[in-house]
Amino acid sequence: EIVLTQSPGTLSLSPGERATLSCRASQSVSNNYLAWFQQKPGQAPSLLIYGASSRATGIPDRFTGSGSGTDFTLTVSRLEPEDFAVYYCHQYGSTPWTFGQGTKVEI
Amino acid sequence: QLVESGGGLIQPGGSLTLSCVTSGFSVSSNFVSWVRQAPGRGLEWVSVIYTSGRTYYADSVKGRFTISKDNSKNTVYLQVNSLRAEDTAVYYCAGYISGKPYWGQGTLVTVSS
Repeated sequence: EIVLTQSPGTLSLSPGERATLSCRASQSVSNNYLAWFQQKPGQAPSLLIYGASSRATGIPDRFTGSGSGTDFTLTVSRLEPEDFAVYYCHQYGSTPWTFGQGTKVEI
Repeated sequence: QLVESGGGLIQPGGSLTLSCVTSGFSVSSNFVSWVRQAPGRGLEWVSVIYTSGRTYYADSVKGRFTISKDNSKNTVYLQVNSLRAEDTAVYYCAGYISGKPYWGQGTLVTVSS
């Protein structure tokens, strides 16, 4: 099983600042099938990035996914008030598929 | 678009069948998974069915849950048996087209007496 470890657990930042979220896999993620989701309270997860670096439809370009193999990063260049949420990484290249434990980005 | 249904309040030990109806998405040529989220917890992968029909399950549900699909109806099912309190969660289905995930809005399953 590929274990995804997200860091930090909580990121305390201000609007306008840059956020860098890490997702480290215990083994290489096949086909770079690594996605990032954003979840706000009471809402379903929303896809941000898939295939490690492809932005989903309608996602602003301040969100950037990068990395390959075992190390992946989600960068939010300038935080907007609506970006404060929980972010999950998810690998779907090898079964069992797995999720990271989440990073909370708070003001 | 993927739309889940079939959730509800069920007693421990009971069974349910969750459905995921897709539109604009062919379950015969794309794989579909189920993911769940217990209240206040993170996301947990549950099961996947590939285009070949091959299926995989998380250890926590193996032997109790069964994923299946009806290509003619573009629908994927999750039969959930022997339900436990810890199965209480929102269940999401997710379809993957060329590696891009598409998620539904979820259906709530509450296991309680």
